[in-house]
Amino acid sequence: AQSVTQLGSHVSVSEGALVLLRCNYSSSVPPYLFWYVQYPNQGLQLLLKYTTGATLVKGINGFEAEFKKSETSFHLTKPSAHMSDAAEYFCAVRKNDMRFGAGTRLTVKP
Amino acid sequence: NAGVTQTPKFQVLKTGQSMTLQCAQDMNHEYMSWYRQDPGMGLRLIHYSVGAGITDQGEVPNGYNVSRSTTEDFPLRLLSAAPSQTSVYFCASSYSAAYEQYFGPGTRLTVT
Repeated sequence: AQSVTQLGSHVSVSEGALVLLRCNYSSSVPPYLFWYVQYPNQGLQLLLKYTTGATLVKGINGFEAEFKKSETSFHLTKPSAHMSDAAEYFCAVRKNDMRFGAGTRLTVKP
Repeated sequence: NAGVTQTPKFQVLKTGQSMTLQCAQDMNHEYMSWYRQDPGMGLRLIHYSVGAGITDQGEVPNGYNVSRSTTEDFPLRLLSAAPSQTSVYFCASSYSAAYEQYFGPGTRLTVT
């Protein structure tokens, strides 16, 4: 069965700084990988996904993630944080069903 | 398209009561699933369905039942509510396993 580990339940960055949210997965075969964002009192919104092909995937709001099979990682990055990026971020892995990490709450300081 | 809809938005139950959380989608998606979200634990899969008439258990199925009689609807039944089932419940759907899931707005359930 696949599982997802997100390193760091809380990450705090200054506005304009690099955002790096870490995600590692365990799966017997390469899975499909996703990042979702959740704003307070809302549902989840897809940021980006990796299924096949190019290992660097670009998503909405300037986010991107790189699939590294040798490291079983799918870390999320954004070059310059904006105040509006403050939210909770979830990494997910999917074969038949979708499993989520525990989430990382991103705080952006002015 | 309304997407994925869930009712009710909020619900308070007493221990031992039963109820059904409704979920519907109008995107003709084969795959539907139910999650619960608790602080610090992310989303945990309760049950999922890969098509009408087919359901399977996820990580935390105990205390919940599902059925899938139509492509559009995937209700979640709490048989005898317990305080441990206090949570936010999300329904999601997707075209298939290779595609992203679309989430409903959630149902906040409190069991006293």
